[in-house]
Amino acid sequence: ETGVTQTPRHLVMGMTNKKSLKCEQHLGHNAMYWYKQSAKKPLELMFVYNFKEQTENNSVPSRFSPECPNSSHLFLHLHTLQPEDSALYLCASSQGETSMWAAEAFFGQGTRLTVV
Amino acid sequence: AQKITQTQPGMFVQEKEAVTLDCTYDTSDPSYGLFWYKQPSSGEMIFLIYQGSYDQQNATEGRYSLNFQKARKSANLVISASQLGDSAMYFCAMREMNTGNQFYFGTGTSLTVIP
Repeated sequence: ETGVTQTPRHLVMGMTNKKSLKCEQHLGHNAMYWYKQSAKKPLELMFVYNFKEQTENNSVPSRFSPECPNSSHLFLHLHTLQPEDSALYLCASSQGETSMWAAEAFFGQGTRLTVV
Repeated sequence: AQKITQTQPGMFVQEKEAVTLDCTYDTSDPSYGLFWYKQPSSGEMIFLIYQGSYDQQNATEGRYSLNFQKARKSANLVISASQLGDSAMYFCAMREMNTGNQFYFGTGTSLTVIP
């Protein structure tokens, strides 16, 4: 039990589809993250939310659209993706206050996305 | 400049032996934390150990210890008595007080434990 749950675990979608990834945490954290991990590449930070406000957007294409309705839930809406978007998408959460820079991030098990 | 550098793409270790995974970091913030994560083939990132910039002693968690050399800006992970289940990717990460929520990750080291 990681405390951070991602669904679905696996997703295959066509380039014209619309799908959403879901992330949920019940750890009382107020910062949530989306990371992309492609084969043989380092983790790429996509988005950061702190107290439901987006604080980072690392030049992510608009075909990825995050949503954070509350501190416990984070979504990543996907539309008109490309095959190169196939990757493992990891959600994480942590304590987000400035004083909590020493707090670790807890990760979900990831969604393995394949775009065909 | 890279915030976190892991120079060993792959490492092998004999079962029951110790292994050191290297990590160097770059920051001008005096307040920072260093983290190690394990990622098995299932994909989940598992937190292993933490070292704070003001900690006087090296962190230890079971078979994991962190060799923290602040002047050299290195935070190497030592795994003692390796087990077959230790085979995984290992990532070093850093968080700074000034950048708050941002976690900086290295490129990872793939560890294979040989029976």
